[in-house]
Amino acid sequence: GAGVSQSPSNKVTEKGKDVELRCDPISGHTALYWYRQSLGQGLEFLIYFQGNSAPDKSGLPSDRFSAERTGGSVSTLTIQRTQQEDSAVYLCASTSGLAGSYEQYFGPGTRLTVT
Amino acid sequence: AQSVSQHNHHVILSEAASLELGCNYSYGGTVNLFWYVQYPGQHLQLLLKYFSGDPLVKGIKGFEAEFIKSKFSFNLRKPSVQWSDTAEYFCAVISFSGGYNKLIFGAGTRLAVHP
Repeated sequence: GAGVSQSPSNKVTEKGKDVELRCDPISGHTALYWYRQSLGQGLEFLIYFQGNSAPDKSGLPSDRFSAERTGGSVSTLTIQRTQQEDSAVYLCASTSGLAGSYEQYFGPGTRLTVT
Repeated sequence: AQSVSQHNHHVILSEAASLELGCNYSYGGTVNLFWYVQYPGQHLQLLLKYFSGDPLVKGIKGFEAEFIKSKFSFNLRKPSVQWSDTAEYFCAVISFSGGYNKLIFGAGTRLAVHP
């Protein structure tokens, strides 16, 4: 079946512009995660959704970052007034959300470059 | 706070050499451990996982990992690497908090296998 998809695959934006990154989880997966992969810094947790609610936003680096999820499916990560340090690969993952189901399935990521 | 340490950031091997990548975690509760791999230009894929039972777990492509509770370690091994194993490898632990889980990743190890 279809895996996690993300769009766009690459995004180049000017400093100060807003960007939106999209994630389509695996159909039926209720849990959705956003991570950021920066060069030399591994993967950093950003936010978690269960259904449409986000019980943990602790990883969002600043108030310029926000995310929402609608219909328990698609999620959008928005970065306002982008800065050069926001350049990274943004990864989305989903799981079924069932008890004991911990394996996260990752999308291909969106590579964001802020010039 | 939970954390995962991968001590080798870059590893260079010749084909047929044996591989061991170190992973140590700090987490006081029940551990669920993962190794993910990211081949060049591809998205993160699960190599293997440990939840319980036999501490020696076998994954895809001939990889295995051993969970040693007393050492808080989950090292990844392969007896004979191939050029196609060139990739970045991430160790991760599940962190349970507030009734849900998230992955805490190590910084990753870049493996280059020369023919």
